Amino acid sequence: SQQGEEDPQALSIQEGENATMNCSYKTSINNLQWYRQNSGRGLVHLILIRSNEREKHSGRLRVTLDTSKKSSSLLITASRAADTASYFCATVPRESSSNTGKLIFGQGTTLQVKP
Amino acid sequence: NAGVTQTPKFQVLKTGQSMTLQCAQDMNHNSMYWYRQDPGMGLRLIYYSASEGTTDKGEVPNGYNVSRLNKREFSLRLESAAPSQTSVYFCASRLFRDSDTQYFGPGTRLTVL
Repeated sequence: SQQGEEDPQALSIQEGENATMNCSYKTSINNLQWYRQNSGRGLVHLILIRSNEREKHSGRLRVTLDTSKKSSSLLITASRAADTASYFCATVPRESSSNTGKLIFGQGTTLQVKP
Repeated sequence: NAGVTQTPKFQVLKTGQSMTLQCAQDMNHNSMYWYRQDPGMGLRLIYYSASEGTTDKGEVPNGYNVSRLNKREFSLRLESAAPSQTSVYFCASRLFRDSDTQYFGPGTRLTVL
């Protein structure tokens, strides 16, 4: 079963606006990651946040993690048309051996940025 | 570096036919994974190989088999394809113990009629 649920399922904004996507998960985790998928392509890793971190930045991306609420958010600031894609959160459950690296994905948020 | 490559890109099968999806990575990664992605859903893990010589079941292994041929290659086999296996299949790899970041191939779009 899916570990994460993402909200909203779809988001449409104008270029220059900020986009916020949320992810909730069910079990304790070692880390949470965000991936982007352009239409018809494979997934690309964006950012990883560990369970002992609360916030992380990478360029125009800001990720927060609240382990007490089992939730994370991804903020894309000053969005561009090129940010149009699907965004997935993925967790590494705490019970997983670090040897396996198994990821459990959410269902994704489809973001459309209009020029 | 080509990264993670997958062949074929597209495939149409009839129910009951068999086929093998190929995956190769040139990043000297230890762990490799096969996922399937169905419309409107995230990725679900089919099988994985944490290191060369080992394979294990993921969340949805029924109807599939895998082979870790060597450190570079990890193949996924459908012995008797069913319409429920219509999906997009992604292979991914990870550098063992470096981080949990995975690198994905471009995918194989499979249709079973």
